[in-house]
Amino acid sequence: EAGVAQSPRYKIIEKRQSVAFWCNPISGHATLYWYQQILGQGPKLLIQFQNNGVVDDSQLPKDRFSAERLKGVDSTLKIQPAKLEDSAVYLCASSKQPGLAGVHEQFFGPGTRLTVL
Amino acid sequence: GENVEQHPSTLSVQEGDSAVIKCTYSDSASNYFPWYKQELGKRPQLIIDIRSNVGEKKDQRIAVTLNKTAKHFSLHITETQPEDSAVYFCAASMYSKGPGAYQFYFGTGTSLTVIP
Repeated sequence: EAGVAQSPRYKIIEKRQSVAFWCNPISGHATLYWYQQILGQGPKLLIQFQNNGVVDDSQLPKDRFSAERLKGVDSTLKIQPAKLEDSAVYLCASSKQPGLAGVHEQFFGPGTRLTVL
Repeated sequence: GENVEQHPSTLSVQEGDSAVIKCTYSDSASNYFPWYKQELGKRPQLIIDIRSNVGEKKDQRIAVTLNKTAKHFSLHITETQPEDSAVYFCAASMYSKGPGAYQFYFGTGTSLTVIP
């Protein structure tokens, strides 16, 4: 099966500019996750969708970050305006509908490396 | 919420030796524990996982053990090879009834270096 797709792979912007990332999960995966991974740290969940509804966005800096998942498939994550501390890799992951045996695994996309100057 | 701690942060071993990475979690509701390997500049890849109804799972040179009472789980890599060099992350996952979805909480990572 095709994996999780993300674009762009790399992005360099100046602080106060805006940026958007796109994710296409594995076909049929109901749950979609956006993580922020700062160099040398583990992935930190920003937002989790179940179909097109938000499951958890408690760690999303809502004053500057927003995300949507229209029609329960693709998702976009936006930062506006960007700060220096937003420099990180943004990982998208997906998993199948919960509750089914053996379908708990989370698959990651290649990530988008953001550099804010 | 769940808190996952991972130790050590860096680990160097000689090729052929074993490597052990340990994680602890705080919420007894966590019932799924995956381990990911992340090579430099690449995505995290699942290498092994264990569910709370199992105490140990093995896949060739890697194994994971789980102690639910103590709330800790460990990754064991035997006969290490240079290609095992990477950052390893543990995670704890629990099912949230409200939203009807599994949530994942990651450790801070262990950078493993296997010296030829």
